[in-house]
Amino acid sequence: ETGVTQTPRHLVMGMTNKKSLKCEQHLGHNAMYWYKQSAKKPLELMFVYNFKEQTENNSVPSRFSPECPNSSHLFLHLHTLQPEDSALYLCASSRTGGTEAFFGQGTRLTVV
Amino acid sequence: GEDVEQSLFLSVREGDSSVINCTYTDSSSTYLYWYKQEPGAGLQLLTYIFSNMDMKQDQRLTVLLNKKDKHLSLRIADTQTGDSAIYFCAETETYGGATNKLIFGTGTLLAVQP
Repeated sequence: ETGVTQTPRHLVMGMTNKKSLKCEQHLGHNAMYWYKQSAKKPLELMFVYNFKEQTENNSVPSRFSPECPNSSHLFLHLHTLQPEDSALYLCASSRTGGTEAFFGQGTRLTVV
Repeated sequence: GEDVEQSLFLSVREGDSSVINCTYTDSSSTYLYWYKQEPGAGLQLLTYIFSNMDMKQDQRLTVLLNKKDKHLSLRIADTQTGDSAIYFCAETETYGGATNKLIFGTGTLLAVQP
């Protein structure tokens, strides 16, 4: 148990569906992150939020829409995804300027 | 841009030592990390080292950093079958008030043979 919880653990969605991934942390951190882990590729940073403000968008397509209503919760809204978006989506949190980032278990997304 | 490279696969026998290597290109890296990922799980932070250190030991884990060659290694003593996993090297440049943006390697799959 790392203190970062992601739901759902697995998600299968059609290309025309709209779904959301949820991340919650109870570590008192102020920075939260979305990473994408595709097969045979390094983990890619997608978005960074610091004190609820987005500070990084790593050229992510607009079909991925993040939301950070407070420092404890982070969402990733998905719509009209492509099969190549199938991956493990990992959420992480850290203290602002801290040295350690803690990861959730991830959501395994399959787009059909 | 920054780049972190690792070998893809390492096989060892139970009880032997494992050494997983990593090279990075960003000379301004502040912290370097080792994460472990077991099948179907997220990433677990194993250990990290500050760039002004050259060695850190934590129980069975020893991290060696050669900053001149930009080379990082993780040694696992007395490797057990439960150590079988993918090990990721990562680096970050953290400066006052900034967030912790990690740049990851592709991961090394460690297979421990009984």
